[in-house]
Amino acid sequence: AQSVTQLDSQVPVFEEAPVELRCNYSSSVSVYLFWYVQYPNQGLQLLLKYLSGSTLVKGINGFEAEFNKSQTSFHLRKPSVHISDTAEYFCAVSEPGGSYIPTFGRGTSLIVHP
Amino acid sequence: DAGVIQSPRHEVTEMGQEVTLRCKPISGHDYLFWYRQTMMRGLELLIYFNNNVPIDDSGMPEDRFSAKMPNASFSTLKIQPSEPRDSAVYFCASSPRGSGVQNTEAFFGQGTRLTVV
Repeated sequence: AQSVTQLDSQVPVFEEAPVELRCNYSSSVSVYLFWYVQYPNQGLQLLLKYLSGSTLVKGINGFEAEFNKSQTSFHLRKPSVHISDTAEYFCAVSEPGGSYIPTFGRGTSLIVHP
Repeated sequence: DAGVIQSPRHEVTEMGQEVTLRCKPISGHDYLFWYRQTMMRGLELLIYFNNNVPIDDSGMPEDRFSAKMPNASFSTLKIQPSEPRDSAVYFCASSPRGSGVQNTEAFFGQGTRLTVV
């Protein structure tokens, strides 16, 4: 069975500083990996996804993530955050060839201070 | 397309009452999911449908919860009777699974915030 661990429930950071949100997964097979963002009172929307190929994935709003198979990680990074990046971020994993149904982590609240 | 549409956005009801949440998926999507989000448990998958057929309802917490998808453009999640511990945000999502591996993204509605008092 697959699972996702987001190590930090909350990450405070100042505007224009870099940020990394951590995600580790557990799966016995190859995986698809996703990061979703949830703004206040909104649904989740896809930031980026890793299906295959290059391990560095670029997404919307200047975010990127790197798939590291040996460390079973898929950390999300942004070199310079904005106030508008304040949101909840969810890492998710699904198994190709299976049901494709994603399993979500508990989420990390990114709080950007001016 | 307008995206996944959920109604109502907010629902306040008294304990014991029946609650019905509604969802219109994106046209052409063949998977539909119902999730529940709470502070304590995070985002939980309750049930999902493929081509209007329920595939896995193992996440439905109790028999008080039921979901239907009478056609490709409409689904309901019903709680009867409702209890205060059902208070949460309920999300509907749809996905164009298809046959291509790129069709793995889930598109979420804005959610229904349910408060049972």
